Amino acid sequence: DGGITQSPKYLFRKEGQNVTLSCEQNLNHDAMYWYRQDPGQGLRLIYYSQIVNDFQKGDIAEGYSVSREKKESFPLTVTSAQKNPTAFYLCASSIAWTVNQPQHFGDGTRLSIL
Amino acid sequence: QQQVKQSPQSLIVQKGGISIINCAYENTAFDYFPWYQQFPGKGPALLIAIRPDVSEKKEGRFTISFNKSAKQFSLHIMDSQPGDSATYFCAATSYNNNDMRFGAGTRLTVKP
Repeated sequence: DGGITQSPKYLFRKEGQNVTLSCEQNLNHDAMYWYRQDPGQGLRLIYYSQIVNDFQKGDIAEGYSVSREKKESFPLTVTSAQKNPTAFYLCASSIAWTVNQPQHFGDGTRLSIL
Repeated sequence: QQQVKQSPQSLIVQKGGISIINCAYENTAFDYFPWYQQFPGKGPALLIAIRPDVSEKKEGRFTISFNKSAKQFSLHIMDSQPGDSATYFCAATSYNNNDMRFGAGTRLTVKP
């Protein structure tokens, strides 16, 4: 079955620690996205990637970093600079950035502070 | 900047009733309007979507109504069922930029 796999499902971060959230897709999609979901605020875009080896900042990129070395993988690192990291993180993909197509989501990673 | 405003924040409907969720947008460049359904602990899943060249789209019990002049669109769930209890997000994006903007979400509860 094609889809998006996020891991781990739950993650705990200590003060001053960087953590990395995994996102893998086997849909052969070019574009991938990371969103942060907080209660009552909908989804806010952290980073997006239109193609391998390219990525752009979204609305709330501060304190986060990404890489896109492979088409199927788009990991997100939550750095110690992100002072309020507790949230539900969602990864998504779409066929391409410039083609108006729906985004497909993984089942998320819930990050909490220890 | 909230480019898509969604209401109500929460909604309680009796089984068999009609659930209505409304969204309004600001950017006239938006030309694709999907609705997503999200269950607790899961990612959003595409429910139904509409483009502004039509005023209504129906898929089973789910209907999107679109009013281009008012820059508003709404989701109607007919014969609402307890299994429809979830959070619903409207969204909007434009053809040349798949920077999708989401509403804040509506938590729907359908009582048996």
